[in-house]
Amino acid sequence: EDQVTQSPEALRLQEGESSSLNCSYTVSGLRGLFWYRQDPGKGPEFLFTLYSAGEEKEKERLKATLTKKESFLHITAPKPEDSATYLCAVDQGAQKLVFGQGTRLTINP
Amino acid sequence: KAGVTQTPRYLIKTRGQQVTLSCSPISGHRSVSWYQQTPGQGLQFLFEYFSETQRNKGNFPGRFSGRQFSNSRSEMNVSTLELGDSALYLCASSLLSQETQYFGPGTRLLVL
Repeated sequence: EDQVTQSPEALRLQEGESSSLNCSYTVSGLRGLFWYRQDPGKGPEFLFTLYSAGEEKEKERLKATLTKKESFLHITAPKPEDSATYLCAVDQGAQKLVFGQGTRLTINP
Repeated sequence: KAGVTQTPRYLIKTRGQQVTLSCSPISGHRSVSWYQQTPGQGLQFLFEYFSETQRNKGNFPGRFSGRQFSNSRSEMNVSTLELGDSALYLCASSLLSQETQYFGPGTRLLVL
């Protein structure tokens, strides 16, 4: 069965301290890997979709990359407003997303 | 363009009651999916509707059901509520199948 594992569970950084979040997956035939950001009490906000190994996408301080077995979300020079839970999900088909447990990121000023 | 809207935002029910949640997708989106989010299990897929037809269903009991109307709006119903049904219920819409899903703000259900 498709599985998605995110690490670390929680990460605390100082403002400006760059780091990476990991999402490893086992899936038979990747149809798409998605990154979302979720703030407390809100629905997930779409960030990126990656479809094939080697693909990279960037948005402001975030960059997502994809290999055959994992994806990384790189955060460069983060700011306090980047604090959120970051969720990774794979498309299992027919719009069924399988989510990881998320990484809770805290950026201290 | 307006995003996905869900009503109500908050709901308190007691065990044994039933509840209906509503979701209006982004204009033009035809696929609507429902997810349950709890601290212990995370986000779990409930079901997906496309053009009024349920195309996919997750591993939830039959107490959880849904439907989609001709205008793509969707409702989810939970009958005979249990304490464990307390969760954030999220709706997501996409333009077509195999497209990015955009989530609404969710309905927080508390079962007492």
